[in-house]
Amino acid sequence: AQTVTQSQPEMSVQEAETVTLSCTYDTSESDYYLFWYKQPPSRQMILVIRQEAYKQQNATENRFSVNFQKAAKSFSLKISDSQLGDAAMYFCAYRSARPSGSRLTFGEGTQLTVNP
Amino acid sequence: GAVVSQHPSWVICKSGTSVKIECRSLDFQATTMFWYRQFPKQSLMLMATSNEGSKATYEQGVEKDKFLINHASLTLSTLTVTSAHPEDSSFYICSAISRRVSQDEQFFGPGTRLTVL
Repeated sequence: AQTVTQSQPEMSVQEAETVTLSCTYDTSESDYYLFWYKQPPSRQMILVIRQEAYKQQNATENRFSVNFQKAAKSFSLKISDSQLGDAAMYFCAYRSARPSGSRLTFGEGTQLTVNP
Repeated sequence: GAVVSQHPSWVICKSGTSVKIECRSLDFQATTMFWYRQFPKQSLMLMATSNEGSKATYEQGVEKDKFLINHASLTLSTLTVTSAHPEDSSFYICSAISRRVSQDEQFFGPGTRLTVL
C-alpha cells in the first residue's frame, strides 16, 4: 500500500518570502501522479499543482513549484513570494496511474501561516 | 467547469436520527465519486468509492450499514449517516472524477459539517 508522509505539521513564512513544504511517499509502482492541495479556512480543497511521475521536469504553476525526486520518493512544494492568501493547510497526495487506481492517498497535512 | 456541490453545507441533528448528504457534479458526468471524512486539524480519510450503478466499495473499518452510499446517477451520489451518534460528528467531503474531463484530477465539493447532539 502507498503511504504519504508530511513531517512538518506547521510552518510559517514572512510575507514575500519563500517557503518549502516537504513530502515523502512510499510506493512500489513506477507510474503515478503526485499532487499538492490547499485547504483554506473555508475547507474547500483546491488543487495547487500536480506532477506525473514519468515526467522528469518539475511542475510549475506561477509562484508554486515542486522538487520531484523520484528515486528518493520526495515531492516538496516551494511557494515563492508568499502572500497572506497562501495561509492554509497543505496536503500532499498520491494517486496510482493504473486505470483502477483513481483513489487519492493524502499526507497528514502542513498548516502554513503567513506573517505580514 | 468541473464544479461539485454538496448539500447541505452544515447540519445539526439529534442522536439516533439519520442524515442524508448529497453530492452533485454540476457540469460533468461523474464516473466515480468518493466520500471522505475529516476531523479538525487532520487529513482526509477515504470512506468509500462509488461508481454509478454499482455498489460502493468501503474502506476497511467503515461500517457500510452505518454509512449508506447511493450513486444513482452520473451526477448524484448520496451519503446517509444512519442512527447518527455524537462520534459521527465530522466534516464530510465528496469528490468526483470524469475520464472525459481529466485523466487524473479529482474535483472536490465544499464539504458538509455534521454535528450530532
